[in-house]
Amino acid sequence: EVQLVESGGGLAQPGGSLRLSCAASGFTFSSYWMHWVRQAPGKGLVWVSRINSDGTSTSYADSVKGRLTISRDNAKNTLYLQMNSLRAEDTAVYYCARELPRYYYVMDVWGQGTTVTVSS
Amino acid sequence: DIQMTQSPSSLSASVGDRVTITCQASQDISSYLNWYQQKPGKAPKILIYDASNLETGVPSRFSGSGSGTSFTFTISSLQPEDIATYYCQQYDNFGQGTKLEIK
Repeated sequence: EVQLVESGGGLAQPGGSLRLSCAASGFTFSSYWMHWVRQAPGKGLVWVSRINSDGTSTSYADSVKGRLTISRDNAKNTLYLQMNSLRAEDTAVYYCARELPRYYYVMDVWGQGTTVTVSS
Repeated sequence: DIQMTQSPSSLSASVGDRVTITCQASQDISSYLNWYQQKPGKAPKILIYDASNLETGVPSRFSGSGSGTSFTFTISSLQPEDIATYYCQQYDNFGQGTKLEIK
């Protein structure tokens, strides 16, 4: 079964850090571009970041550039999101998602999400 | 930056109704427009990609059309399990969502 499972969410203080993980199974992880998408409480979906299949190319939403870093370990079939200098507005459910090959930004498999709360 | 404007923001319809949601892009995006369904407390699910391609396993009552700046998502006959919020997406831009409720 194709599956993505996020972990690492929790409560962090403003200015603090968290690292989210997304464990992939059931498909050849190293062949797929991957994304992080977030959703603040009661709000819509917001794209956060994208990484290519070998981890050499990344892109970010302006709102997180310089604070959040996407990476991957293809040997461990795991995607990461390192979150530094956290702000209250980073409070959200964070989803990892797989990109459909040859279809730019089409996300065909999603994890269940992990919740990040930034509060003092 | 391209802006995606969805309408309506909420919609109430009866079982069996034909439901239509529109998405307007601020500039020509060809057919690069996707539609997702998100049920409460769940992750989004891709329904339609590249404006009109139905994802494998998605019921045929869902369809999409359009190109350029104007796109339409249609449910031909609303079912109770279709209650969800629907989002259009162009690359890194999501629409604000349409919450669909049963009347």
